[in-house]
Amino acid sequence: QVQLVQSGAEVKQPGASVKVSCKASGYTFTNYGITWVRQAPGQGLEWMGWISAYNGNTNYAQKLQGRVTMTTDTSTSTAYMELRSLTSDDTAVYYCAKGGQWLPIDYWGQGTLLTVSS
Amino acid sequence: EIVLTQSPGTLSLSPGERATLSCRASQSVSSSYLAWYQQKPGQAPRLLIYGASSRATGIPDRFSGSGSGTDFTLTITRLEPEDFAVYYCQQYGSSPRTFGQGTKLEIK
Repeated sequence: QVQLVQSGAEVKQPGASVKVSCKASGYTFTNYGITWVRQAPGQGLEWMGWISAYNGNTNYAQKLQGRVTMTTDTSTSTAYMELRSLTSDDTAVYYCAKGGQWLPIDYWGQGTLLTVSS
Repeated sequence: EIVLTQSPGTLSLSPGERATLSCRASQSVSSSYLAWYQQKPGQAPRLLIYGASSRATGIPDRFSGSGSGTDFTLTITRLEPEDFAVYYCQQYGSSPRTFGQGTKLEIK
């Protein structure tokens, strides 16, 4: 069965960086992309971007351009999302998900809570 | 950027009733690349409908999607207690892939 298992909760200070991992199993990793979505407390879903697990092509939300980097390691079927220059506005649950570029997002990770606080 | 506007913001209904949720796009959604997700508190979203009208694997047939272009609808016939949740639409055909703001379906 398809599973996406994310790394654990993080607490960071303003200005720091965070790197969240997402290990996929149960499907051929390089056949699908990974989408990252975040959800601030009590708010809706925000699309952050997508990465092709086949060739590493990326598509980032304009508001995050320059602060976010998405990568994959095909040897371990793991996707990563790094976010830099954190502010309190980045406090949210971060989800990785399978699909998303001309395909629906059909499986989601369990979410990683990022808290940015001094 | 395609802006998706969902209505109503909150829908109060009783179990057994029919729910109709709307998702309107600011411009045409290409090839009906429109999905609906259900999210319960503390859980990740779950895919219900893709391609505007195709049910995802394991989704009961009381959930149905319709529409094209700029107007899309999610219908839930005969609401079950487990259906009360927040529902999001998303378009995945144009960049950025945007979500609607959500409709909260609550028990009346």
